[in-house]
Amino acid sequence: GAVVSQHPSWVICKSGTSVKIECRSLDFQATTMFWYRQFPKQSLMLMATSNEGSKATYEQGVEKDKFLINHASLTLSTLTVTSAHPEDSSFYICSASRASGRALEQYFGPGTRLTVT
Amino acid sequence: GIQVEQSPPDLILQEGANSTLRCNFSDSVNNLQWFHQNPWGQLINLFYIPSGTKQNGRLSATTVATERYSLLYISSSQTTDSGVYFCAVDFKAAGNKLTFGGGTRVLVKP
Repeated sequence: GAVVSQHPSWVICKSGTSVKIECRSLDFQATTMFWYRQFPKQSLMLMATSNEGSKATYEQGVEKDKFLINHASLTLSTLTVTSAHPEDSSFYICSASRASGRALEQYFGPGTRLTVT
Repeated sequence: GIQVEQSPPDLILQEGANSTLRCNFSDSVNNLQWFHQNPWGQLINLFYIPSGTKQNGRLSATTVATERYSLLYISSSQTTDSGVYFCAVDFKAAGNKLTFGGGTRVLVKP
């Protein structure tokens, strides 16, 4: 169990357009979902934390108006990159955690590679 | 501030060799996880190990929370073990989110 999917797996878009990435927990209900960003040969950086039905909490330095997060249900969160620019090109990874009695244990999606031309 | 440091940054192994990866963290933790990121970017959960020792096949991990470090052991390494290994910590002071270390890039040569 604990499978997380992401769609699309890769996307190319033109500068100035918006792109939406979906993150789904397939076999469990995710109380919290997280969005990360990873540049080549670097570590993962947390962008924001979202709980179902409430506004996302963004990390310092992440523009909330540029990276719109919606957590509509216990199995779906979306990240929309608005007015994308080439510097937004990156690998975006989501994760989901479930209430299991343990302190936070996250399960990761396969990632979405975004290229902005 | 809170920090997670991994060593070594890079590791080249001959197939069949054993190795130890280290993760040092700066504060008290709720949770610590080890992940393997494969060449396609997928993060695979290896261990959830806020304390103690666990083993899964050729991999094992030990976390000594009082001394603020965790070790990941790879025995009899295989080429499929290549990739990046990340340690990620949920610090008590940080509010239920994971802070990732810089990773150890492992290459296992046949």
